[in-house]
Amino acid sequence: QKEVEQNSGPLSVPEGAIASLNCTYSDRGSQSFFWYRQYSGKSPELIMSIYSNGDKEDGRFTAQLNKASQYVSLLIRDSQPSDSATYLCAVNLWAAGNKLTFGGGTRVLVKP
Amino acid sequence: KAGVTQTPRYLIKTRGQQVTLSCSPISGHRSVSWYQQTPGQGLQFLFEYFSETQRNKGNFPGRFSGRQFSNSRSEMNVSTLELGDSALYLCASSRTGESEQYFGPGTRLTVT
Repeated sequence: QKEVEQNSGPLSVPEGAIASLNCTYSDRGSQSFFWYRQYSGKSPELIMSIYSNGDKEDGRFTAQLNKASQYVSLLIRDSQPSDSATYLCAVNLWAAGNKLTFGGGTRVLVKP
Repeated sequence: KAGVTQTPRYLIKTRGQQVTLSCSPISGHRSVSWYQQTPGQGLQFLFEYFSETQRNKGNFPGRFSGRQFSNSRSEMNVSTLELGDSALYLCASSRTGESEQYFGPGTRLTVT
């Protein structure tokens, strides 16, 4: 079992719709959770971080964390063609220091 | 505020050679982490440096090494290059006590 799992996609959504991405993790000691966006040929860009159960909203993005069920999700509202990218879920498994474990990423395609 | 910078951006090396990659973190960030990204394995953690000390290490052979200088700049070295070392090498920095990591543009290494 992979430590962090994501559906590889592609997730195809029409412009203006909500894109829903899911991520599950295996280590219950995980403390920090992140969503990165990566355009083709570019490096990952941090778009959301979440540390406690519940929802966190930032603009069109909402991250949801459920530690009991060991999943974290990302909602993209009013999806735009510029949101077409690969979205990487990352988990910090260590209490001290920084070591991110990444899922394989979900490719999102927003169609006009 | 300037972001994370990495040099060189592109590199072509021959099997058996060694290579040194450089990373300058965001000003004020003292933690620097290195990751390898390949199509097959995704994003994998190499190591993290904080205050010139390696704080965490991933599951890579000893051919991969790194160091950090007093100004927080970091270098990673790969000796005896193999074809499988062809990858995008990413550096990320974070503030002391924070988990959010910000990535540089990466160095694309091709081993022939």
